[in-house]
Amino acid sequence: GESVGLHLPTLSVQEGDNSIINCAYSNSASDYFIWYKQESGKGPQFIIDIRSNMDKRQGQRVTVLLNKTVKHLSLQIAATQPGDSAVYFCAEIVNFGNEKLTFGTGTRLTIIP
Amino acid sequence: EAQVTQNPRYLITVTGKKLTVTCSQNMNHEYMSWYRQDPGLGLRQIYYSMNVEVTDKGDVPEGYKVSRKEKRNFPLILESPSPNQTSLYFCASSRGLAGGPKDTQYFGPGTRLTVL
Repeated sequence: GESVGLHLPTLSVQEGDNSIINCAYSNSASDYFIWYKQESGKGPQFIIDIRSNMDKRQGQRVTVLLNKTVKHLSLQIAATQPGDSAVYFCAEIVNFGNEKLTFGTGTRLTIIP
Repeated sequence: EAQVTQNPRYLITVTGKKLTVTCSQNMNHEYMSWYRQDPGLGLRQIYYSMNVEVTDKGDVPEGYKVSRKEKRNFPLILESPSPNQTSLYFCASSRGLAGGPKDTQYFGPGTRLTVL
């Protein structure tokens, strides 16, 4: 069935290094993807999104890459900081008329000082 | 300040005792949604609403009810809570210009519910 998943549940990165968080999706009808950041005790916070007609989008210190051929999404965070430590979720929207947001299970990113 | 608020933030109750978790947004958003978050399962959508008086089931609607009588409020109702509804609940809203969630969804701070 359709699913949104993550390759790695945890990721530790040295402060200042770049990090890459991966996400796989299986529904070729998905046309919109979002990355969220969730800090401990808080609700998910929007980071960046990308539509299916794009393969790359950049924000402040973050870049999202979309490879529709292999149904893969990644979030790159440059020059990581301690405040980047959080759980990161990818989410997809499949446009079946009533659009539904489906989240992956999350990756915990830990920045090592 | 633009925000989504939820109340209560923490709730411990017993099986079968009806409860309501309130959600309110001050951004005049059309789209609102409820999610539950469980370890290893991520966020799963319970119900959503594209506008006033329009609600629809998400992935896990069983045991829940919602209403959308006014744009700013979207309460989640558990008529007869059971222990398997122990979870962390999030309300979210977005402008919903495309008639759905294809817009930044703003999340509330969460409600941690324990059903004994």
